[in-house]
Amino acid sequence: DAKTTQPNSMESNEEEPVHLPCNHSTISGTDYIHWYRQLPSQGPEYVIHGLTSNVNNRMASLAIAEDRKSSTLILHRATLRDAAVYYCILRDRGGGSEKLVFGKGTKLTVNP
Amino acid sequence: NAGVTQTPKFRILKIGQSMTLQCTQDMNHNYMYWYRQDPGMGLKLIYYSVGAGITDKGEVPNGYNVSRSTTEDFPLRLELAAPSQTSVYFCASSRNRDEAFFGQGTRLTVV
Repeated sequence: DAKTTQPNSMESNEEEPVHLPCNHSTISGTDYIHWYRQLPSQGPEYVIHGLTSNVNNRMASLAIAEDRKSSTLILHRATLRDAAVYYCILRDRGGGSEKLVFGKGTKLTVNP
Repeated sequence: NAGVTQTPKFRILKIGQSMTLQCTQDMNHNYMYWYRQDPGMGLKLIYYSVGAGITDKGEVPNGYNVSRSTTEDFPLRLELAAPSQTSVYFCASSRNRDEAFFGQGTRLTVV
């Protein structure tokens, strides 16, 4: 399975934008890029996903590099509630493993 | 919709006891997953299922068993509980490889 690489931790200030990077240099053509986050003492929650084009939803934006070897999750205005561990995961829609495996993710700290 | 429901929320087991963690979803999702999360660590996949009657091992299946007799339910069985199984257990479901929805977790302590 294609792997992802994320920084262990990042810090941001409240109400500022946050850019969370993810590298996936071995991504295949049928891999979708998924992002989840886990707030303290809660189960993970889905944030956003995309294939090639940039994606926006009410929670965040996903910017995907043209060669698809990296992507960035963008939180436009961080709030204290956005402090969480963010996971970047590849999901192969073209076959391959059905497993949903989480890496270590990036722990985001938001300072007031 | 209730989404993914896990019971119980908390449980204390004695070493050697057995129990079943229940997970049910009302979204008609075909994929279901069980994870464990040790304190301060990431999620580890225990077992998963892509449909009723089909289950497969994840990253850390030893000490656990699962069954999937219906689309809605995916119970996780612990036989002969050990202190190393003290963890928070999360169940999740998804429609194929779309976004997954997680339950609130079961906090299990084995003493």
